Amino acid sequence: RKEVEQDPGPFNVPEGATVAFNCTYSNSASQSFFWYRQDCRKEPKLLMSVYSSGNEDGRFTAQLNRASQYISLLIRDSKLSDSATYLCVAHNNAGNMLTFGGGTRLMVKP
Amino acid sequence: DAGITQSPRHKVTETGTPVTLRCHQTENHRYMYWYRQDPGHGLRLIHYSYGVKDTDKGEVSDGYSVSRSKTEDFLLTLESATSSQTSVYFCAISESPRGYTFGSGTRLTVV
Repeated sequence: RKEVEQDPGPFNVPEGATVAFNCTYSNSASQSFFWYRQDCRKEPKLLMSVYSSGNEDGRFTAQLNRASQYISLLIRDSKLSDSATYLCVAHNNAGNMLTFGGGTRLMVKP
Repeated sequence: DAGITQSPRHKVTETGTPVTLRCHQTENHRYMYWYRQDPGHGLRLIHYSYGVKDTDKGEVSDGYSVSRSKTEDFLLTLESATSSQTSVYFCAISESPRGYTFGSGTRLTVV
């Protein structure tokens, strides 16, 4: 079983739609969590951190449920430019290492 | 953006030849990482470094070695390239969990 699991998608949504991605992690020792965004044939870039209290950055909302070992990302009012692969990431303090999920592909259509 | 560059950007090599990929940073970050990315597997850690001459293995280290003789350079060597090592290789640097910055990647094809 992978340490961080995501639905690979693709999620095909129209512009303006709300879409949610989920992710589960198996290592209960993971301390911090993040969402990264990766455009086609580009490097991953940090989108946002994920906190238990939930955090919002514009149209993006991330949530962590430690009891269920579950992470979510909600995108409201989807834009064409949101089309990308979204990577769920868990941080392990040992060695300052990140473990990546396989990614969820989002395609926003006009 | 953080100063991190990978070279070469693209490489085609023959099975059995040695290959070295270079990651260079100008940020003086302590941690450096090599990942490979393949369809169906996502990003997997090959090796990482937590200081000059301090390195350790990641999830998929077989067939790879690394060296870090200076803070700014982290080299990944494929001792004898195989077709299964055809992949996109990303280097990353970090000083904290929130500070991971990736290079632009190296596309390696082993024929």
